[in-house]
Amino acid sequence: EIMLTQSPATLSLSPGERATLSCRASQSVSNYLGWYQQKPGQAPRLLIYDASNRATGIPARFSGSGSGADFTLTISGLEPEDFAVYYCQQRSSWPLTFGGGTKVEIK
Amino acid sequence: QVQLVESGGGVVQPGRSLRLSCAASGFTFSSYTMHWVRQAPGKGLEWVAAIAYDGSNKFYADSVKGRFILSRDNSKNTLYLQMNSLRGEDTAVYYCARDYLNHWFDPWGQGTLVTVSS
Repeated sequence: EIMLTQSPATLSLSPGERATLSCRASQSVSNYLGWYQQKPGQAPRLLIYDASNRATGIPARFSGSGSGADFTLTISGLEPEDFAVYYCQQRSSWPLTFGGGTKVEIK
Repeated sequence: QVQLVESGGGVVQPGRSLRLSCAASGFTFSSYTMHWVRQAPGKGLEWVAAIAYDGSNKFYADSVKGRFILSRDNSKNTLYLQMNSLRGEDTAVYYCARDYLNHWFDPWGQGTLVTVSS
């Protein structure tokens, strides 16, 4: 099973600041890494797939990068609605696995 | 628009069974692999199971293998999760999700809460 480790666990930032979230895999997942956003009481939403492709309707301030075992989700300028929990997920092999999440909170 | 609506959650005693349903609409259900993902209270996401578009292949997380059974009825646009021998650690919100481009999850249903407690 591929383990995904996200860091930091919590990121405290102000609106307008840049957020950089990390996801590290226990082995290479090629570019088969995605990112989800989850707000309280809501289901997760797909943001990024295959490391760097934005899903339909996702604003350009969200970008993903990386390959192999190290990946980054960047939010270029935080909007009030971006404060949420973010999860990475790999589809390189079964079982599909998620990281533990990074909470982006208002400073 | 694409919609997934889960139902069947509730409170159940350890060792008992429960069946969840996920009603799909707004897309050709019979063309898509479907998944269940769960989230224990205050915890992260855990993929549970997946079923191919025609039901020919099924995959399960080790934590549920041998206890949960995934099925689908394409004539009713409905996905099912039969959960047997339930344990306290199965307590979670269970989401169904459509497969997107080979095993991304998009969209998700609103979830149904399963609580295993005596």
